[in-house]
Parts: sequence; structure tokens; C-alpha cells
Amino acid sequence: QQNVQQSPESLIVPEGARTSLNCTFSDSASQYFWWYRQHSGKAPKALMSIFSNGEKEEGRFTIHLNKASLHFSLHIRDSQPSDSALYLCAVSGDSGTYQRFGTGTKLQVVP
Amino acid sequence: NSKVIQTPRYLVKGQGQKAKMRCIPEKGHPVVFWYQQNKNNEFKFLINFQNQEVLQQIDMTEKRFSAECPSNSPCSLEIQSSEAGDSALYLCASSLSRGQGYAEQFFGPGTRLTVL
Repeated sequence: QQNVQQSPESLIVPEGARTSLNCTFSDSASQYFWWYRQHSGKAPKALMSIFSNGEKEEGRFTIHLNKASLHFSLHIRDSQPSDSALYLCAVSGDSGTYQRFGTGTKLQVVP
Repeated sequence: NSKVIQTPRYLVKGQGQKAKMRCIPEKGHPVVFWYQQNKNNEFKFLINFQNQEVLQQIDMTEKRFSAECPSNSPCSLEIQSSEAGDSALYLCASSLSRGQGYAEQFFGPGTRLTVL
């Protein structure tokens, strides 16, 4: 049974800082890795995904995957107050069509 | 912006009452998922459909929940006899493909159920 854990649980950073969010998973057969962002009272929205080891950058966001370490991360460069939200990682593999989510990291970016 | 529509946004029920919520997926998305997000932000997968067929569901859903996605009508999730532990945000998501988790899921804003 897949176990997805996120760290830290919450984070407060100053505007302009680089922020790193972590996600670990237990099933080494996992193949698809996602980060979602959920602003308060809003729907979760997919931010980025990665399907092979390495890094992928989109604007201020970088996702890094290390399957051997059962770990992937999201890095936010030049954090903005509008980045304040709940960040959820999700993992899935061949054995199922649904994504298993972590419990989130609550990020607050203060001006 | 996601165009998944969920109604009602808020639902209050007494224990033992039925609770029904609806979801209209994004146009053209054949796959629909239901998740439960509790107050600790834990996501629990409940059930998913491709068109009108159930793909997967967990035990809890089989026993106390009923769900359907009829053709040309909103999808629905109904809790037959609500319990306090069912209080949560129920999220509906839709996707273009059932394929192996690589397809992005588009979420609605959720129905917040409170069971008194």
C-alpha cells in the first residue's frame, strides 16, 4: 500500500526567498509524480508533474525526482505572497489509475 | 481555470441522514474521480468512473456510499446514512484519460459536508 509523506507540515518564508517542499513515497514501482496547489477555499490545481528521474523547470518552479531515494521535491524561486497555499504531492503507478496524495505543506509567504 | 462544477458547495446533515452531492466534469472528460479531504488535509480516494462504468472503488465506498455517472446527467455521490466521521470536503475531479496516472486531474471546488 502506497504511503506518501510530505515535509515540512508548514512553512513561513519571506517574500523573495527560495522555498523547498519535500515528498517521500514508499512504492518503488511508482511512475508518475505530481505537485498540486490548493489556495484556501479553492480547488486543488496541478502545478507540475515529472515522470522520469531528474529535474524539470517551469518558470519559478522546479521539480526534482530521485526514484532510488523514493523522494521528489518542489522548489519555488523568488516566492511571492500569492504562492501562499497548501501544496500537495501525489503519486501513482501502473497498478491504479488514481493518484495517492500526501497531507500537504501549508506555505505562507510574508511580504 | 477548472470547469468542474460541484453542487451544493455546503451541505449540513444530521447523523443517519442521506447526503447527496453532484459533479459536472469538464466537457469531454470521460473519467471522474471522487476524493474525500478531511480536516487534516488527508485525501482519500473513494471511487472513479470512466463514462458510466465504475473503474475502482474502496471498501468504504462500497458499503455506505453510492455513486453514479449517468449519461447526460451530473455525476453524484450519496452517503446513505451519514456519520460524524463523514464530515469533510468532497472533491470531484475529471480527466481526459484513465491512463496510468499520467493524465492531469482537474478538480472542482468541492462540497463541504458537515454531519451534526
